[in-house]
Amino acid sequence: QSVLTQPPSASGTPGQRVTISCSGSSSNIGSNTVNWYRQLPGTAPKLLIYSNNQRPSGVPDRFSGSKSGTSASLAISGLQSEDEADYYCAAWDDSLDGPVFGGGTKLTVL
Amino acid sequence: QLRLQESGSGLVKPSQTLSLTCAVSGGSISSGGYSWSWIRQPPGKGLEWIGYMYLSGSTHYNPSLKSRVSLSVDRSKNQFSLKLTSVTAADTAVYFCARGGAAVPTAQGEIATWFDPWGQGTLVTVSS
Repeated sequence: QSVLTQPPSASGTPGQRVTISCSGSSSNIGSNTVNWYRQLPGTAPKLLIYSNNQRPSGVPDRFSGSKSGTSASLAISGLQSEDEADYYCAAWDDSLDGPVFGGGTKLTVL
Repeated sequence: QLRLQESGSGLVKPSQTLSLTCAVSGGSISSGGYSWSWIRQPPGKGLEWIGYMYLSGSTHYNPSLKSRVSLSVDRSKNQFSLKLTSVTAADTAVYFCARGGAAVPTAQGEIATWFDPWGQGTLVTVSS
């Protein structure tokens, strides 16, 4: 059971906008920043969003992050077939005193 | 561009010690004051942070693994290592090394932490 809760799956058609949610508590998302990672099949996770809504160099602006209270969201606009991957949210947890992850959301592009 | 590459034993017997090394290339592990982490992912499951270390030797481990984990660094070889003792089948996973993971206080009073970049990962199977 992951500390952060994500829907196990999401889907969309090419060009569509999809959002993936991440729910936590006051000891993690509620008091710390959120990151998002994308993991293509058989590869390592890659940082997609850090500090709630910041994109690392090279990440297209189709990807955006937001946070409100103890929840966060990742939005992907202009969905492309190559966006089909697993997406993980993460944050520092004050109770664990370390980083925690969501269980991951498998995004399917129909 | 900084690159990380894991290496080590792919098959470990139950009760023995898992040992992995993360080689850093494209930059010095000693520059920037970064923390360095290990994360694992059991087959078909999610991610679990194992621990991080600073080059000063300061370490911080996941409480669920703390009694069995140790991290170390070899500056001369530009690499850092993971040892996990008394392994069981539950320790079977893909192990990733990554830069980052330590708590960084923000001006807003929050804690920021992230992992970037990651190594490609190495599968370790615990089986007799």
